[in-house]
Amino acid sequence: AQSVTQPDIHITVSEGASLELRCNYSYGATPYLFWYVQSPGQGLQLLLKYFSGDTLVQGIKGFEAEFKRSQSSFNLRKPSVHWSDAAEYFCAVAGGFKTIFGAGTRLFVKA
Amino acid sequence: DGGITQSPKYLFRKEGQNVTLSCEQNLNHDAMYWYRQDPGQGLRLIYYSQIVNDFQKGDIAEGYSVSREKKESFPLTVTSAQKNPTAFYLCASSTGTAEPRYGYTFGSGTRLTVV
Repeated sequence: AQSVTQPDIHITVSEGASLELRCNYSYGATPYLFWYVQSPGQGLQLLLKYFSGDTLVQGIKGFEAEFKRSQSSFNLRKPSVHWSDAAEYFCAVAGGFKTIFGAGTRLFVKA
Repeated sequence: DGGITQSPKYLFRKEGQNVTLSCEQNLNHDAMYWYRQDPGQGLRLIYYSQIVNDFQKGDIAEGYSVSREKKESFPLTVTSAQKNPTAFYLCASSTGTAEPRYGYTFGSGTRLTVV
C-alpha cells in the first residue's frame, strides 16, 4: 500500500540558512512524487514533481528535490530560506487513481 | 486565468443541517477531488470523480455526498450524518486519474464550522 511519512512536524530555520525537509514513501513501483506548499488558510500549490529521468528536480521558488530510490526518499531542499517561505509543506505520492499526502511539515523562519 | 474556485470561504452549520460547498474549475480537467484537512492529519480523500456523472468514494465518504453533472462543477454536501464536520475542505482537479504525473491544482478551500 502507498504511504508517505514526513518525520518532522515542524522545523525552524534562520533566514538565509539552508533547508532540507524529509520525505519517505512506500510504493510498489516507480512512484510519482510531489511536493506542495500551503500558506495559512489557503489551498496547496505544486512546488515540483518527479516521475522519471533525472533524480534531481527543480521547482518553483528556488526549491529542488532529490529522488533516492535506495532510501525511498524524496527530500526537499532550498539553499537559502526567505521569510516568505514560512508555510506548511506536504510530500505526496501518486499511483493509479490515488494520491496520498504526508501529514505535513510546518516551516518557521526566524530573522 | 484558469483555476479552481471554491465558495464560500467560510461556512457555519447548525447541528442537523446539510450544507453544500461549491467547487468550479475552468481548466478543462477531467478529474476532480474533495479532501478534508484537519490539523496534523494531512489531507484525507472524501470523494473523487473521473468523468461527468461518475464518482467514487474515498477514504472518509461517510456523511458526505457529491454530484458531477457538469465537467466544471463538483459540489460537496456535508450531511447531518457527518458527526464531526468542522474542518478545512479542499477541492482539487487534475487532467485525469489515469495520468497522475501532472499533480493537482487546488482551490483556496472552505472552512466549515459547526455552531
